[in-house]
Amino acid sequence: AQSVTQLGSHVSVSEGALVLLRCNYSSSVPPYLFWYVQYPNQGLQLLLKYTSAATLVKGINGFEAEFKKSETSFHLTKPSAHMSDAAEYFCAVSWIQGAQKLVFGQGTRLTINP
Amino acid sequence: DAGVTQSPTHLIKTRGQQVTLRCSPKSGHDTVSWYQQALGQGPQFIFQYYEEEERQRGNFPDRFSGHQFPNYSSELNVNALLLGDSALYLCASSLLIGQGSPDTQYFGPGTRLTVL
Repeated sequence: AQSVTQLGSHVSVSEGALVLLRCNYSSSVPPYLFWYVQYPNQGLQLLLKYTSAATLVKGINGFEAEFKKSETSFHLTKPSAHMSDAAEYFCAVSWIQGAQKLVFGQGTRLTINP
Repeated sequence: DAGVTQSPTHLIKTRGQQVTLRCSPKSGHDTVSWYQQALGQGPQFIFQYYEEEERQRGNFPDRFSGHQFPNYSSELNVNALLLGDSALYLCASSLLIGQGSPDTQYFGPGTRLTVL
């Protein structure tokens, strides 16, 4: 069965510091991978997605993620954190046979310290 | 271009009651998926509708049912509400493109359901 594990339910960084949010997946078939962000009392907004093209994917708001098949990982990074990045981040996986069904991780709450 | 819209924003029900949540997909999208997000958890897939048919279903009981209309909008119905049904219900729309790369799912703001 396909699953997603996000390491660290809470991550805190200083403004201007590197942001690293970890995501590992388990999939028996080639996966498609997504990062979504959720601000308080809002729905989910897509940050970026991997669909078997370039392994380094650039998204909105300066975020990027790298697909590493050997490590079954899809970690999200941003070189310099901004106060507005404070939110909940979700990694998700889908696959062709799953017909767009998304399986989400538990989420990581990112806090930015001034 | 309007994105995915959901109504109502908030809803309070008591145990045993029934509830209907509504979703209008993003313009041009033909597929609607529903997710349940309990507090502090990631969203969980309930089911997906395409061409007015339930295309696939997650691990939810039959108390959860849905419908898709010819204009692609969708409803989620929950019968015999339990306290554990309290959650944020998210609707997502997308364009079904066969067996190719899955199209991005765009999410609405959600409906917050509280069961007392």
